[in-house]
Amino acid sequence: AQKITQTQPGMFVQEKEAVTLDCTYDTSDQSYGLFWYKQPSSGEMIFLIYQGSYDEQNATEGRYSLNFQKARKSANLVISASQLGDSAMYFCAMREGVLFSGTYKYIFGTGTRLKVLA
Amino acid sequence: NAGVTQTPKFQVLKTGQSMTLQCAQDMNHEYMSWYRQDPGMGLRLIHYSVGAGITDQGEVPNGYNVSRSTTEDFPLRLLSAAPSQTSVYFCASSAVRDYEPLEQYFGPGTRLTVT
Repeated sequence: AQKITQTQPGMFVQEKEAVTLDCTYDTSDQSYGLFWYKQPSSGEMIFLIYQGSYDEQNATEGRYSLNFQKARKSANLVISASQLGDSAMYFCAMREGVLFSGTYKYIFGTGTRLKVLA
Repeated sequence: NAGVTQTPKFQVLKTGQSMTLQCAQDMNHEYMSWYRQDPGMGLRLIHYSVGAGITDQGEVPNGYNVSRSTTEDFPLRLLSAAPSQTSVYFCASSAVRDYEPLEQYFGPGTRLTVT
């Protein structure tokens, strides 16, 4: 079974509108972390936002926010006021592992390609 | 700070050849990892390290070796290259807080082709 599922292979959004990219995860660990990364066409991986499993507030970083619904195991990325430069591939990732074990692994989803339209 | 650096940027190998992909970071990060990225499959973890002298396998370790003799360096060795190892390889590092690694910082990637 997929541990990170991104069901939207591609999405379009009009410039200045908000867009939500979906991510669901599967883990039995009590402590885990959820991340979103952006990969522009140039290929580099850029960290956007992080949510810890014990964080009660949804994480926000500028125009990015993470809609964390723990019971539903979802960690959707919301981009407000989309810009042309937001056109890229977006990856959801989870860090899982047992605290103090030293065995921490990151698992990535297959990504969502976002295209912002002028 | 240079962040995470990887060399080479591009490499072509013949089947059966071996080579080492270099990765270095100057942020004093304890956690380092190697991924491969294939079309439509996201990033898959090859090996990782939680500190100098400690390494462990990820999701797709077969055909690859790693070592971590210093905090800064985490080279990935391809033992006998196969066409199935044609991919883009990313190295990443992250700081550790309260025993857990945080967000990863990625190198620019190495595009490897095996013929």
